[in-house]
Amino acid sequence: GQNIDQPTEMTATEGAIVQINCTYQTSGFNGLFWYQQHAGEAPTFLSYNVLDGLEEKGRFSSFLSRSKGYSYLLLKELQMKDSASYLCAPWGNTGFQKLVFGTGTRLLVSP
Amino acid sequence: SQTIHQWPATLVQPVGSPLSLECTVEGTSNPNLYWYRQAAGRGLQLLFYSVGIGQISSEVPQNLSASRPQDRQFILSSKKLLLSDSGFYLCAWSTGSGELFFGEGSRLTVL
Repeated sequence: GQNIDQPTEMTATEGAIVQINCTYQTSGFNGLFWYQQHAGEAPTFLSYNVLDGLEEKGRFSSFLSRSKGYSYLLLKELQMKDSASYLCAPWGNTGFQKLVFGTGTRLLVSP
Repeated sequence: SQTIHQWPATLVQPVGSPLSLECTVEGTSNPNLYWYRQAAGRGLQLLFYSVGIGQISSEVPQNLSASRPQDRQFILSSKKLLLSDSGFYLCAWSTGSGELFFGEGSRLTVL
C-alpha cells in the first residue's frame, strides 16, 4: 500500500515563496507527480520527478529525495491564481500505473 | 491530439436511483482508463482502473461498478445510489508511462 502525508492547508501572500512538502511510503517507487487542482476543476499536471534533485519549471520547482521518501513543490512569486490544491502522487511499483493521490494541500494566496 | 470527454457535467439524483457516467477518449489507442471520486473537501480516491476492453479492477468495494465496452469508452454505474455517492467524479487516461490526463469531471449530488 501507500502512505502519503501533506499539510492540509497553507497560506501565503502574493509575491512570496511557498514550499509544500510531501512524504510518502510506497511499495517500490517509479517517480513522483505533482498536480494542481483549482476548486471545482480537474487536476492538471505540474511535474514528474524520477531522479533525486531539483527540477525547475518557470515559477514552479519540484524536489525529490528517493532515499528519504520526500518531495516538495516550491512556488515562487506567488500569484492569486496559484490559490488551489496541490496533490502529491507517488507512482508505486505495482506493475501497473495506478496513481494514488495524497489528500492534497490547499494553498490560499492573499493580496 | 488526444482528448477526453466525460458527461454529464452535473447530475442531481434521488437516493435509490440508477447512475451512468460516461467517458470517452479520442486520439489514442489502448489507453489505461481510470475513475476517481472526490468527496467535498477530500482527496482523490481511485475507484476503478482498466488496462483493456472488459478488464476492470476495483480499488474500493462499494455501491458502484465500471465497464469498458470499447477500447476508448469507460462507464461508471450504480443500480441504486446512496447519499454517500455524492461527489466529483473524474475520468482519466494514461499511456502507462507517466502523466494522467483528466476529463472535466462530473458533479453528482444525491438527495
